[in-house]
Amino acid sequence: DIVMTQSPLSLPVTPGEPVSISCRSSQSLRHSDEYNYLNWYLQKPGQSPQLLIYLGSHRASGVPNRFSGSGSGTDFTLEISRVEAEDVGVYYCMQALQPPLTFGPGTKVDI
Amino acid sequence: EVQLVESGGGLVQPGRSLRLSCAASGFTFNDYAMHWVRQVPGKGPEWVSGIYWNSGRTNYADFVEGRFTISRDNGKNSLYLQMNSLRPEDTALYYCAKDISSGGYSGYDVWGKGTTVTVSS
Repeated sequence: DIVMTQSPLSLPVTPGEPVSISCRSSQSLRHSDEYNYLNWYLQKPGQSPQLLIYLGSHRASGVPNRFSGSGSGTDFTLEISRVEAEDVGVYYCMQALQPPLTFGPGTKVDI
Repeated sequence: EVQLVESGGGLVQPGRSLRLSCAASGFTFNDYAMHWVRQVPGKGPEWVSGIYWNSGRTNYADFVEGRFTISRDNGKNSLYLQMNSLRPEDTALYYCAKDISSGGYSGYDVWGKGTTVTVSS
């Protein structure tokens, strides 16, 4: 199974400041089609997870452009250019290269 | 509006069975793979099972292999999870989730609100 790790696991933030979350996989997530099968999700308190970024760097529909994803192979980063109060919650990276689809442990972001 | 609505959860004794259902609407159901994902309160999500658009491929997490069966009825826009030999550690909120792409597995872009399964005597 592909093991996902994230850092930090907890991240206090200040509104308006930039935020960066790191995700690593135990093996490359780069497929032969050249896409990286790495997604980012945000789970706000009391809600289902919501997709932010798919295939490493593609912003999902309706996601504000302050969110961006980058990286390739085994190292990925989610960045929020200027964090807002509504961005609090737990951020998960997830690999979709092969079953079992596995999540990272999550990064809790709070103000 | 794209929507997934799960049902069928409840309290069940260890060793018994339960069948979860997911009603999909707002998209062409038979174009996408579908998944079941579960989450224990306070823990991260955990993929349980996935099924291709045409049921031609199904996959399971090791911890449910042989006990759970995923299926779909494209004519009814519905996804199912038959859970047998339930264990206390299967207690969780079970989400139905739509795959991102119309090919194989790429992750989930739509989640339901979940249905709670509690396994306890």
